[in-house]
Formats: sequence, C-alpha cells, structure tokens
Amino acid sequence: DAGVTQSPTHLIKTRGQQVTLRCSPISGHKSVSWYQQVLGQGPQFIFQYYEKEERGRGNFPDRFSARQFPNYSSELNVNALLLGDSALYLCASSFSPGRLGEQYFGPGTRLTVT
Amino acid sequence: KNEVEQSPQNLTAQEGEFITINCSYSVGISALHWLQQHPGGGIVSLFMLSSGKKKHGRLIATINIQEKHSSLHITASHPRDSAVYICAVGGSNYKLTFGKGTLLTVNP
Repeated sequence: DAGVTQSPTHLIKTRGQQVTLRCSPISGHKSVSWYQQVLGQGPQFIFQYYEKEERGRGNFPDRFSARQFPNYSSELNVNALLLGDSALYLCASSFSPGRLGEQYFGPGTRLTVT
Repeated sequence: KNEVEQSPQNLTAQEGEFITINCSYSVGISALHWLQQHPGGGIVSLFMLSSGKKKHGRLIATINIQEKHSSLHITASHPRDSAVYICAVGGSNYKLTFGKGTLLTVNP
C-alpha cells in the first residue's frame, strides 16, 4: 500500500510568485496536516484538514491557504512568496484528527525562493 | 521557552556506543512521538508513546508522564543511525509540536 505522497519533490520559485504543493494521504486516511520545516529547525504546524474542513491553523499569514478534496488529497497554496518561505513542506495523514498517534509523514516538498 | 526541548542539540558517537537523546515538554500531552530525519530527507516515525516503554530493534523509547520527559536510546549504534532525531508532542487538539531536533553523527 502506498504511503503519503507529495509533489513536486523540489521547486524553485521567485519572490512574489505563487506556489501550489500537493499531498495524497494513505488510502483510508481522512485527515491531512501540513508542516513547514525551515533549515535547522523543527517542523511548524500550518494546517489540518479533516473531511474537507479546516480543523486547525498555525501561526502563519493569510498568504498560506489550503484545501482538501473529496478524495482526501490536499493542496497547500502560498501566495506572494518571500525568501523566508524557503523550507521543506511536509504533509502528514491520519485516519482522523484525534488519532495523532497514527500520523504518517510524506517525503516533503523542498521549496526554494530566490 | 519552547514547549518541547531536546538535548543534546548535537551528538557525535563512535560505532557501537550506547546513545541517549532526551526530550522535555511543558504542556499536557496525549502522545509523544520520536521521529527520524536523514539529511535532505523526509520524516520517518519511529515511536508513538503515551506511557511506559517501547522497543524496536536497537531503538528503545521511554516516557515519564509525571516528569514530562522522554528518552530515545540507541544500542550498538551504527553509522547508518546518523540522522536528526526529533521529538514531537500531541495534545487533545489537532496539531503536533516539535522540538528542534538532535543531530546524531555516528563515526565508524
């Protein structure tokens, strides 16, 4: 059974551009969480979605948005990119929001903003 | 003060040594995770703990809920264990809070 998949693997964008990152959860998982990991730091929570609804949001500006589709896959959008948005973006899936013990992480998308 | 503190930040060991990485947290939790991240790589979940002790191969994780402390031990360390080890805690809400990680280097 496939694990959590993310695309693209790597991405280079210019300041001011917009980017869309994609995540497909493990089959049967209905909750997707997004995390940002800046080089040298631990991941920071951005969003959690469950059953296509936003269940939680971290301390990120409104330039960050996300959505979840009927097949439970998810997209993370970042507008007006800044150099500081350069990071590894991780997606994690779980069966439900409450079952944190079963969060499975994808390989991440490495975003570089120049 | 961060909600999740790990020590040490960096650890260098010789192959075969016993290794301990510590994690302290300041919030109430329902679960604690130990994660492994190789350079440039994604995250792999090693353990999820809510009490007691778990063992998987050469890895052992323990947690003391009263003291809000967890340890990850690696027995007979090997160069392939070189990675960043991250402690993360989850409460009754929807998110994980992560420590900054411990960079482990095991030399042959």
